[in-house]
Amino acid sequence: DTGVSQNPRHKITKRGQNVTFRCDPISEHNRLYWYRQTLGQGPEFLTYFQNEAQLEKSRLLSDRFSAERPKGSFSTLEIQRTEQGDSAMYLCASSFRGIGGETQYFGPGTRLLVL
Amino acid sequence: EDQVTQSPEALRLQEGESSSLNCSYTVSGLRGLFWYRQDPGKGPEFLFTLYSAGEEKEKERLKATLTKKESFLHITAPKPEDSATYLCAVRHLTQGGSEKLVFGKGTKLTVNP
Repeated sequence: DTGVSQNPRHKITKRGQNVTFRCDPISEHNRLYWYRQTLGQGPEFLTYFQNEAQLEKSRLLSDRFSAERPKGSFSTLEIQRTEQGDSAMYLCASSFRGIGGETQYFGPGTRLLVL
Repeated sequence: EDQVTQSPEALRLQEGESSSLNCSYTVSGLRGLFWYRQDPGKGPEFLFTLYSAGEEKEKERLKATLTKKESFLHITAPKPEDSATYLCAVRHLTQGGSEKLVFGKGTKLTVNP
């Protein structure tokens, strides 16, 4: 399977715990995005990487959230001191900016439940 | 700020009953309008990109069209396997150089056999 992969697919944690999610993009895609989706809503942008550089962070991304993309390959999203409001589906998408434009391809998501 | 509104929120069709989903948008310079399909518990699956008014794209029973203010996703003779949430998004160029997608809330389509 050469699509975007995310791990874990599901995570249940207690309030106050730290969690980390991983995203493996499509190989050779230099752009990587994180989105968050809650029930009945469309995905909302969180942050963006071009290669290893984090170039954009949404106001939705509080100080408890941190994302990395070492060596411009896989990416991790960490949430510290989780709160119940963090419960959502976390989606990763990757893309390649070419002459014809850019299409973001999404992974299956990580569903987080904070108890 | 870019906005995307989809209607209806939910649509229930009988198998074979054609219909259309609407996506209206307000953007400062359209850089692409995207349609995705999302099944429960899964990530969005790319369907179409449209760039300019008058453009149309087709894939099996789906046809996407674009005007200056809205896009339609036409579903011809739908089958139960077309049941899903259909998401519309516009590409927004940010000051940081990213091209994030701004999504609508989606239309949940149910096709009954």
